Amino acid sequence: EIVLTQSPGTLSFSPGERTTLSCRASQSVRSTFLAWYQQKPGQAPRLLIYGASIRASGIPDRFSGSGSGTDFTLTISRLEPEDFAVYYCQQYGSSPWTFGQGTKVEIK
Amino acid sequence: QVQLVESGGGLVKPGGSLRLSCSASGFTFRDYYMSWIRQAPGKGLEWVSYFSNSGSFTDYADSVKGRVTISRDNAKNSLYLQMNSLRVEDTAVYYCARGGATRYFDLWGRGTLVIVSS
Repeated sequence: EIVLTQSPGTLSFSPGERTTLSCRASQSVRSTFLAWYQQKPGQAPRLLIYGASIRASGIPDRFSGSGSGTDFTLTISRLEPEDFAVYYCQQYGSSPWTFGQGTKVEIK
Repeated sequence: QVQLVESGGGLVKPGGSLRLSCSASGFTFRDYYMSWIRQAPGKGLEWVSYFSNSGSFTDYADSVKGRVTISRDNAKNSLYLQMNSLRVEDTAVYYCARGGATRYFDLWGRGTLVIVSS
């Protein structure tokens, strides 16, 4: 099983700042089959990024993803008020399909 | 409107059974892999099971294998999860999602809450 470790657990930023979230895999993720999701309280997760770096439909270009192998990052170039949420990475390259434990981005 | 709507959650005693349903609309249901993903209260996401778009391939997380059966009815645009021998640790919001296996989850329902408690 591929274990995904997201660090840190919580990040505190002010609106307008840039933030980078980390996702590290215990084994290489096949074919960059790595996705990022955003979840707000009481809501279902929403797909942001797939294929490590491809923005999903309707996702603003302030969100970008990068990485390969075992190290992946999600960058939000300029935090908007609606971006404060929990972010999960997920690998879909090998069963079982696993998620990281999440990083909460909160308002400083 | 492209959406997934789950139903069937509720309160059940340990050892009991429950059948979750997911109704899909706005897209060609039979063309997609479909999955169930759960989230325990205050915790992260855990993939539970998927059903392929053809060939009836399925897969299950070890935590539910042997207790849970996924099925689908393409004529009714519906996905199901039959849950037996429920445990307290199965308590979670269960989400229906489009995708699975080597496919990311690009559409999620709002979830249905399952509480296993005596």
